[in-house]
Amino acid sequence: QITLKESGPTLVSPTETLTVTCSLSGFSLSTPKVGVGWVRQPPGKALEWLGLIYWDDDKRYSPSLKSRLTITKGPSESQVVLTLTNVDPADTGTYYCAHTEGSVSYVPDVWGPGISVSVSS
Amino acid sequence: VLTQSPATLSLSPGERATLSCRASQSVTSNYLAWFQQKPGQAPRLLMYRTSNRATGIPDRFTGSGSGTEFTLTISGLDPEDVAVYYCHQAGTSPRTFGQGTRVEIK
Repeated sequence: QITLKESGPTLVSPTETLTVTCSLSGFSLSTPKVGVGWVRQPPGKALEWLGLIYWDDDKRYSPSLKSRLTITKGPSESQVVLTLTNVDPADTGTYYCAHTEGSVSYVPDVWGPGISVSVSS
Repeated sequence: VLTQSPATLSLSPGERATLSCRASQSVTSNYLAWFQQKPGQAPRLLMYRTSNRATGIPDRFTGSGSGTEFTLTISGLDPEDVAVYYCHQAGTSPRTFGQGTRVEIK
């Protein structure tokens, strides 16, 4: 059974760096045609696609965040890390990681429960 | 840009719900997906590549369309279908979501 779970701080100060870790279970990001995507949702608003890392370490980012956003594998094989630098209150929201694979056209098919992050001084 | 309509849909149990998603440019390979999000929950994948149901999705959910016009139809609305529905294009980068359609039961 594929599961994912996000972990990290729930409160971050403006200008600091947000780091959210996604722990993977039931699959490996080393398997061909597999990926992990990130999506966030400001309170009461729509979903926003952030980025995606593929099994071969290829990555795609939202252009609006590309200069501040990094998605990496590790530190363990069953983890993916999202790093967002110089955060602003507009970065407040629930951050989700999700499994994806080629058979579903690389859309998020299994989601973590999400982690709620507030950016405030 | 994906534009969903209507913003809110209020129907009686058993009625048919028709949700629209319009893209500002043609969606590559019809890589259009639909998600359902209930209050306080993570989104759930309903449909991918326009008309393919995800695992465990009942056949009263149907996706259709091509190019720039896509539709999600829910036949026989059930109270458990109360949620916000999002379309999502995965054909080109950056991927995008629509702003959502809220489905309510009268």
